[in-house]
Parts: sequence; structure tokens; C-alpha cells
Amino acid sequence: QVQLVQSGAEVKKPGASVKVSCKASGYTFSYYGISWVRQAPGQGLEWMGWISGYNGNTNYAQKLQGRVTMTTDTSTSTAYMELRSLRFDDTAVYYCARGYYSSPLDFWGQGTLVTVSS
Amino acid sequence: DIQMTQSPSSLSASVGDRVTLTCRASQGISNSLAWYQQKPGKAPKLLLSAVSKLESGVPSRFSGSASGTDYTLTISSLQSEDFATYYCQHYYTTPWMFGQGTKVEIK
Repeated sequence: QVQLVQSGAEVKKPGASVKVSCKASGYTFSYYGISWVRQAPGQGLEWMGWISGYNGNTNYAQKLQGRVTMTTDTSTSTAYMELRSLRFDDTAVYYCARGYYSSPLDFWGQGTLVTVSS
Repeated sequence: DIQMTQSPSSLSASVGDRVTLTCRASQGISNSLAWYQQKPGKAPKLLLSAVSKLESGVPSRFSGSASGTDYTLTISSLQSEDFATYYCQHYYTTPWMFGQGTKVEIK
């Protein structure tokens, strides 16, 4: 069965960076992409971008351009999302999900809480 | 950017009620529309894609339809496990956008 397992919760100071991992299993990693979606406390869902599991091509939300980098390690079927120059309003649960380009998000990770606090 | 507007933002209903949630796209999205269900503290779950394609394991009381750029999620007979927040999302072109959600609460 398809599973996406994310790394654990993080607490970071403003200006720091965070890197969240998402390990995929149960399917051929290179056949799909991974998207990242975040959800601030009590708020809705915000698409951050996606990365192809085939060739590593990326597509980022414009508001995060320059601060976000998505990568993959095909040898371990793991996707990573790094967010730099963290601000208080980056506090959110970060989800990875299978899906990119023109496909919906059919399987989701359990979420990783990133708290930005001084 | 293509905006997605959901209505209502919340509703109260009883078990057995027929419930209709609406999502409007700001421009055409070629039926690249998905609906997700999210329960508190959990990840969203894909219910329908391509407007009306029911995902495996999703009960048949959920259905989707479209009229122009207006999209509808219908729950034919609300069950206790359906109380949750529902989001629509287009995946037509980037940036992908979600609606702001509709919270379905117990009356």
C-alpha cells in the first residue's frame, strides 16, 4: 500500500532553516511527483510546490520563490522540502502528498508541525 | 492565478440530511477539480477527482458535478463520520489553489 512517512516536529528560530523529509513506499517513486502543502493553525490549505520523482523538475509557488527548495533522493524514495529565512507566519503543519503536474493529491503524509518561535 | 471560492464557509446538518457544498473557479479549469475531506488533526483525504471520479473506498453517497465554473460536492445522506471540513482544489495549472473550506458540523 502507498505510504508517505514524514519526519518529526521541528522548532526553529526566526531566520533559521528547516528541512522536512517524506519517505515514500508502496509504489514506483519515479512514476509520480511529490507536492508540498502547508496549513497554518486554524487555517486552510496552501500549495507550496511540487517536484517530479522522475527528473527532479520543480514548480514552486511564487510567494515562496527564493526561500524554498524541493529535492528528491531516488535511491531511498525520499522527498525533501527545505524552507529558509523562517518567519513567524511559516508556523504550520507541512504535508507531502503524491501528485504533481496535472494530477490530484491522492496520498498524503501524516504532516510535520514546524513551529517558528523566538 | 485561478481563485477557488467555496460556499458556505460552514453549515450545520443532521445525520441523514442531503448536503450540497459549492466551489466556484474564477476561470475555466477544464474539470481539473478535486475534493478533499479533512478531520481535525489529520491529513486531507482525496474523495473525488476530475469533478466526479470517486476514489477507491469512498462511499457512493459522495458525488460531484459541474456547471460551467461552478462545482458541487453532494453528500446524499450525511453520516456521523462525514462531519469534517471539505476543500476543493484545482490542478489545472500552477499555482494550484484550494478553496477556503466548508466546515460541516452537527446540528
